Amino acid sequence: DTGVSQDPRHKITKRGQNVTFRCDPISEHNRLYWYRQTLGQGPEFLTYFQNEAQLEKSRLLSDRFSAERPKGSFSTLEIQRTEQGDSAMYLCASSLDQGNNEQFFGPGTRLTVL
Amino acid sequence: DAKTTQPPSMDCAEGRAANLPCNHSTISGNEYVYWYRQIHSQGPQYIIHGLKNNETNEMASLIITEDRKSSTLILPHATLRDTAVYYCIVRVAYGNKLVFGAGTILRVKS
Repeated sequence: DTGVSQDPRHKITKRGQNVTFRCDPISEHNRLYWYRQTLGQGPEFLTYFQNEAQLEKSRLLSDRFSAERPKGSFSTLEIQRTEQGDSAMYLCASSLDQGNNEQFFGPGTRLTVL
Repeated sequence: DAKTTQPPSMDCAEGRAANLPCNHSTISGNEYVYWYRQIHSQGPQYIIHGLKNNETNEMASLIITEDRKSSTLILPHATLRDTAVYYCIVRVAYGNKLVFGAGTILRVKS
């Protein structure tokens, strides 16, 4: 399957711990996006990359959050000193930067902070 | 990006057409209407998009009013697998982020 993949699918952690999620986009896609979704709400934009450059960050992305895409391929999202409010589904999407720019989403990583 | 308004939920009988409305009265001339859906426990899935003409693909049809202030997504023969949250999004072409609202929960019933 050549879709967007995310790892892990589920993560349970204790408050104060650090967690890191990985996203592998569709191989030829040069744009990669991170979104967060809480129960009953639509996804909220966090940040996006054009190749390895991080071009936009939402105000939702506090100092405890950092995202990287070092070689313009896979990306990681790290949350330091997790809080219970960080519990959510973290979605990754990728797209080309041309055409209708359709975004393809991965299955998400569900984070539970105890 | 312009805001959209959708009903919170709708029901549809299996095999019938599902018509999902969306209001986007502040849409700008260079903004497109996109529809995505999210089946439970999955990531959102692109359905269709359009600027001002009606569009059709293998999944759905999109009808945009002449003044572009509203649109309707049509699933011609809804199946149980079409039960999902449907999001109407307005954004410029070649834009980056998608701004999701709460969407419409469509329940297809047998």
